[in-house]
Amino acid sequence: AQRVTQPEKLLSVFKGAPVELKCNYSYSGSPELFWYVQYSRQRLQLLLRHISRESIKGFTADLNKGETSFHLKKPFAQEEDSAMYYCALKSFGNEKLTFGTGTRLTIIP
Amino acid sequence: EPEVTQTPSHQVTQMGQEVILRCVPISNHLYFYWYRQILGQKVEFLVSFYNNEISEKSEIFDDQFSVERPDGSNFTLKIRSTKLEDSAMYFCASSDPHRVDSNQPQHFGDGTRLSIL
Repeated sequence: AQRVTQPEKLLSVFKGAPVELKCNYSYSGSPELFWYVQYSRQRLQLLLRHISRESIKGFTADLNKGETSFHLKKPFAQEEDSAMYYCALKSFGNEKLTFGTGTRLTIIP
Repeated sequence: EPEVTQTPSHQVTQMGQEVILRCVPISNHLYFYWYRQILGQKVEFLVSFYNNEISEKSEIFDDQFSVERPDGSNFTLKIRSTKLEDSAMYFCASSDPHRVDSNQPQHFGDGTRLSIL
């Protein structure tokens, strides 16, 4: 069975400080990992996918298979980063996304 | 940018009644999904649909639930004889049919908040 764990329900960070949102997964095969973001009153939007190795809005995430982690990082937080962040896993050949419980990030001005 | 649209945004229904949640996926997408999120809990997969049939479903998706693609644009979730515990946010999603195994994202709608009284 696959599982995604986001240990922090709430995270508050000062503007300009570094941000790290933790995500750990449990899956026996090769996972495909994503970060989705939900801004206030908006829909879930894809932020990052591990296979792309891209940086979106200053965020990056590296898949660490040894630690089974896919933490989301940003060096300097901005107020507009305040949102709900969900880590999600998809197994190869399977269609469903398995979500973590989410972390609500609040950036303190 | 094309979007997945869902109606209604909020549905209030008496326990035991049937409810139909509607979704219009992105037009060139052929994989469709329903997820739900009970208040305070994680987003949970319910069902995926491709080529006019269910391709995968979770244990949550029991005989009370059904999905349908009644025409070329809509994708519906029907819940028969609703229970109090069906109260949740229901999200529809769709993805590109040619790239579902290539890490292409599922695009989500705004969700329908279902309240069972």
